[in-house]
Amino acid sequence: EAQVTQNPRYLITVTGKKLTVTCSQNMNHEYMSWYRQDPGLGLRQIYYSMNVEVTDKGDVPEGYKVSRKEKRNFPLILESPSPNQTSLYFCASTPNFGNEKLFFGSGTQLSVL
Amino acid sequence: GQQLNQSPQSMFIQEGEDVSMNCTSSSIFNTWLWYKQDPGEGPVLLIALYKAGELTSNGRLTAQFGITRKDSFLNISASIPSDVGIYFCAGQKAAGNKLTFGGGTRVLVKP
Repeated sequence: EAQVTQNPRYLITVTGKKLTVTCSQNMNHEYMSWYRQDPGLGLRQIYYSMNVEVTDKGDVPEGYKVSRKEKRNFPLILESPSPNQTSLYFCASTPNFGNEKLFFGSGTQLSVL
Repeated sequence: GQQLNQSPQSMFIQEGEDVSMNCTSSSIFNTWLWYKQDPGEGPVLLIALYKAGELTSNGRLTAQFGITRKDSFLNISASIPSDVGIYFCAGQKAAGNKLTFGGGTRVLVKP
């Protein structure tokens, strides 16, 4: 089944403790992206990747890092999480950059205490 | 900052009702999309619109690309309980550009 898989679904952590949220897609998509969803603000793009080893900042990149060493994986790294990073995070992919039909994962609810 | 404004922010539906929501912008977009997010899941694409004035249906859902290219509308006819969720509009200014998302319209069932 074609899908985008994120892990974990839920994560509670404390300020400053490094964490990684994994994202994997099995559709051989070139383009992958991370979004955060906050009430009333919709989905805001954090980082995106147009292909292996090609990443760039989205609209709200501060406090986040990403890597794209393999086509299928695009982890989101929070080196020193802070409470304002408490949010619902989504990974998405599409065959190529600019293709408007995004496929989303099921989300990761992160709480930073 | 966010460029797409969705209205209403939330609404209650009663089974069988028709419901409408809209998405407006101060900028022109050349592609409009509507996504639905079920509780506990990621958004799923419902309808994509590519031409001003275009009207496209997907089952009980109908979306329209506004003729000014600054707005889009989504209608749900004869609503059912599984229509609950958050509906997001998204715009793309030109082919190859990234998407801009609205804040969402949360659809709830009347108790």
